[in-house]
Amino acid sequence: QQQVKQSPQSLIVQKGGISIINCAYENTAFDYFPWYQQFPGKGPALLIAIRPDVSEKKEGRFTISFNKSAKQFSLHIMDSQPGDSATYFCAAIKAAGNKLTFGGGTRVLVKP
Amino acid sequence: EPEVTQTPSHQVTQMGQEVILRCVPISNHLYFYWYRQILGQKVEFLVSFYNNEISEKSEIFDDQFSVERPDGSNFTLKIRSTKLEDSAMYFCASSERQGVVGGYTFGSGTRLTVV
Repeated sequence: QQQVKQSPQSLIVQKGGISIINCAYENTAFDYFPWYQQFPGKGPALLIAIRPDVSEKKEGRFTISFNKSAKQFSLHIMDSQPGDSATYFCAAIKAAGNKLTFGGGTRVLVKP
Repeated sequence: EPEVTQTPSHQVTQMGQEVILRCVPISNHLYFYWYRQILGQKVEFLVSFYNNEISEKSEIFDDQFSVERPDGSNFTLKIRSTKLEDSAMYFCASSERQGVVGGYTFGSGTRLTVV
């Protein structure tokens, strides 16, 4: 199976709060798990990515947690800012492949 | 920072007409892709292209669709006989290598509206 399931569909968080988005995958052949940020009218832009041999990766206020046995990974946005308001997509790709398989997306709104 | 450029940004077409969406990938990239995003839904893979041929395509990419790299810089998606359900954002992407996400860059998209 190639599906990547993402939740929640939408999220409202106060400025300074933590946004948490979860994804689950089925295909154990995936090798990289990126997160993309998309603003209205723009294409997805890579935010952060992780490989399954790593349990956590942090870049600035963004952290990916990865649970290989559960086939789940999540994005945490710490100290959320109004500028973080966007749609976030998790995705997965095989090292020998070309195709990104996207989750359904989470629309995040950070209230000032 | 290098960009993937797509034109036009918005195209309106009559049902049954042919459209060509254009993309200029990043110059040193070798792999090219088209994705589609129906309003409010997830981004879906259409096709990947390498060495002047299709390397992978999805079920969505049927005989109505074709891709071409007519010269050294452009990469096009042609949709023959458009249908109402083809209305979507179409994103072009390119990457230097396969299987890695660093450098896998998307354009800003073409919004196709079929009326």
